[in-house]
Amino acid sequence: YELTQPPSVSVSPGQTARITCSGDALPKRYAHWSQQKAGQAPVVVIYKDTERPSGVPERFSGSTSGTKVTLTISGVQAEDEADYYCQSSDISSSYVVFGGGTKLTVL
Amino acid sequence: QVRLQESGPGLVESSQTLSLTCSVSGGSTGSDRYYWNWIRQPAGKGLEWIGRIHTSGRTNYNPSLKSRVTMSLDTSKNQFSLRLTSVTAADTAVYWCAAYTDYTTSLDFWGQGTLVTVSS
Repeated sequence: YELTQPPSVSVSPGQTARITCSGDALPKRYAHWSQQKAGQAPVVVIYKDTERPSGVPERFSGSTSGTKVTLTISGVQAEDEADYYCQSSDISSSYVVFGGGTKLTVL
Repeated sequence: QVRLQESGPGLVESSQTLSLTCSVSGGSTGSDRYYWNWIRQPAGKGLEWIGRIHTSGRTNYNPSLKSRVTMSLDTSKNQFSLRLTSVTAADTAVYWCAAYTDYTTSLDFWGQGTLVTVSS
């Protein structure tokens, strides 16, 4: 089972970045989004498709439509430059699966 | 807050067995709330889930690694461990231990990661 993400997304500061993740099981399994900065462990920014953990800025939001989930970062800041990974499970919930990761570049 | 810390050799010879331990604080490996995971990341590449273990004893492994992976839990020491046999250079990576709860199912808790290099 695979989750598909675009390898890279580039936006200018203040613009909106959208990162997608596609997978056949996503209509029935939650997706989560993590941010990973160089040399650091990933940090969850969205869980259960749309929920934002405490301490994560409001500019991070998640949405879902069919077999695709989307991480939206509104008003992108330079500090948001990082790799973003979607995480979910297969339809039987036997395996954890990561998307290939998307490198967000803030121009 | 759950805290995780990996430990183990940073260098393993090719064809040998990689063994890592994750020490847990702020949470119990005996709790049925948590699922304990190993994840790795080769330099410059993405995250790869290796497997998970639950206090019930249930394990699930990445199908691509299943034949070489064993995970175990030691509730008396509040630790869990990874064994990966017959390693090759392709197993060189930063190895992370991580955990999620049955509430969020997102990997909320991570160790700092440990680099394991397989030498030929």
